[in-house]
Amino acid sequence: DAGVTQSPTHLIKTRGQQVTLRCSPKSGHDTVSWYQQALGQGPQFIFQYYEEEERQRGNFPDRFSGHQYPNYSSELNVNALLLGDSALYLCASSSAGVSEAFFGQGTRLTVV
Amino acid sequence: KNEVEQSPQNLTAQEGEFITINCSYSVGISALHWLQQHPGGGIVSLFMLSSGKKKHGRLIATINIQEKHSSLHITASHPRDSAVYICAVSRDTDKLIFGTGTRLQVFP
Repeated sequence: DAGVTQSPTHLIKTRGQQVTLRCSPKSGHDTVSWYQQALGQGPQFIFQYYEEEERQRGNFPDRFSGHQYPNYSSELNVNALLLGDSALYLCASSSAGVSEAFFGQGTRLTVV
Repeated sequence: KNEVEQSPQNLTAQEGEFITINCSYSVGISALHWLQQHPGGGIVSLFMLSSGKKKHGRLIATINIQEKHSSLHITASHPRDSAVYICAVSRDTDKLIFGTGTRLQVFP
């Protein structure tokens, strides 16, 4: 079992560009949550996907959007990148309902 | 005020010392999680608990639901324990609300 895998591991983008981050959940998990972690801060919840639908959303603008595929993998898209979007983006997977979350290694996004 | 508060923010210790990290929360929860984050970013789940106490090797986690407080203890600390330890809570769904973390450095 590969656990939760995220790609890419590092990414540098220019202000105004768009980016797509990818996450494959742990085998047997159907729920994917995305978090943004700014330097020196705790992760902040972006949104959660279950059964290909966005089930919950944190306090993030519409520039942040996502998708979940039938195989439960997920994408996080960010449009019109700002310097402040530079952060570590973490994906966590779990089974439906309250359960232990497993995290990927994260994608470090730098916006210049 | 954050829904999840941790203390201390930074902690240094000598190898072999007993370490305690505290977490308080202000919301109703279904579970509390202790997580470890090493430089480079990856987060590892250490414990998920909703009552009582759990032990794994040199790590012990306790929770007091009435007082809305949890502690993570590390016995016989080692330099490889150096990391950021994060407390997070979950409510009705799998969404986690995180504390800001405790940065632990253990020196030989």
